[in-house]
Amino acid sequence: AQSVTQPDIHITVSEGASLELRCNYSYGATPYLFWYVQSPGQGLQLLLKYFSGDTLVQGIKGFEAEFKRSQSSFNLRKPSVHWSDAAEYFCASVGDSWGKLQFGAGTQVVVTP
Amino acid sequence: GAVVSQHPSWVICKSGTSVKIECRSLDFQATTMFWYRQFPKQSLMLMATSNEGSKATYEQGVEKDKFLINHASLTLSTLTVTSAHPEDSSFYICSARTSGQETQYFGPGTRLLVL
Repeated sequence: AQSVTQPDIHITVSEGASLELRCNYSYGATPYLFWYVQSPGQGLQLLLKYFSGDTLVQGIKGFEAEFKRSQSSFNLRKPSVHWSDAAEYFCASVGDSWGKLQFGAGTQVVVTP
Repeated sequence: GAVVSQHPSWVICKSGTSVKIECRSLDFQATTMFWYRQFPKQSLMLMATSNEGSKATYEQGVEKDKFLINHASLTLSTLTVTSAHPEDSSFYICSARTSGQETQYFGPGTRLLVL
């Protein structure tokens, strides 16, 4: 079965430091991959997506992600985090022809002063 | 662009009553809408997929008679929780996408509390 794994449940990072969130997928063909961010009590906001082409994808809020087929990974990065980046981050892939999203468990990011 | 709204954002109801949640795509035609449920500190759980003008397809374990979904237009889908009970209390989120596009855009969610 197709799956998305986010190995890190919780990450604490200092403001101004770099951030990397890991995501691994299990899918035979080239998947459609997404990163979403969720602030407390809010819906999900799309940060970026990868369908094909350039494996380094730029998103909103200064985030980028790199698709690595050899590692089945789609890690999210930000060079310098801001306190407002504290949130829950979800990696997802399209799991079937209906367009259903397969979500990872999410990574909670805490930003310390 | 690609804005999805939900109404209400908060609802409190008594056990046994029904609650309707609306999901609207404001600036695009949502040929497919998805309804999710999210428990605290957990990921999203897909409840059902609805295509405009068709009956919704429910995920295994989701009671279709309890969670009624209507997708009567290209901009509106509704989720009605019938005879709500305290265990139905949760955060319900909808998403929408347009035909030929894989990206889902999410609404802000509706928190339901059943007393």
